[in-house]
Amino acid sequence: KQEVTQIPAALSVPEGENLVLNCSFTDSAIYNLQWFRQDPGKGLTSLLLIQSSQREQTSGRLNASLDKSSGRSTLYIAASQPGDSATYLCAVIRNYGQNFVFGPGTRLSVLP
Amino acid sequence: EAGVAQSPRYKIIEKRQSVAFWCNPISGHATLYWYQQILGQGPKLLIQFQNNGVVDDSQLPKDRFSAERLKGVDSTLKIQPAKLEDSAVYLCASSLVRPGIGETQYFGPGTRLLVL
Repeated sequence: KQEVTQIPAALSVPEGENLVLNCSFTDSAIYNLQWFRQDPGKGLTSLLLIQSSQREQTSGRLNASLDKSSGRSTLYIAASQPGDSATYLCAVIRNYGQNFVFGPGTRLSVLP
Repeated sequence: EAGVAQSPRYKIIEKRQSVAFWCNPISGHATLYWYQQILGQGPKLLIQFQNNGVVDDSQLPKDRFSAERLKGVDSTLKIQPAKLEDSAVYLCASSLVRPGIGETQYFGPGTRLLVL
């Protein structure tokens, strides 16, 4: 059974810092991995999707990497801003057509 | 493009009462999902529909939860009777076909349920 964990559970940084969020999964046989953002009281917004054959994806100040063999993914946020404050969740799919298994999320606070 | 719509946004009920949630997916999205998100946890899939057929309901507590998707569009999720541990946010999501290369799930804002 696939299990997804995220460390740290919460993180508070001053504005402008670069930061890394971590995601680990127990079964390396994944189809793809996705990072989501969740704002309080709202649904999830997709940030980056990494296919199993890829090593990383970039979007603006966000960079996500994937190391299947070690069962790890990282989300790098450059030059953090208060607007980045949210909960960040990673999710993995084992096979095409199956469903996401989500991690518990990392709650990020960026202080002005 | 309109997003996934859910109603109500908030609901407070007493245990043993029944409650229903409604979801309208993005137009043209064949796949619809209901997730339960307990505070401090990631979403957990309850049921997945492909058009109006059930693809996966293995984690749906079928003794008290039911869901339907009429005509392959809107969907309702019902809890009867509710228990205290059902307090959570219920998220609806839809995708064009299935999760895969370049595809993703689009989430609604959720319904926050509190069972007293």
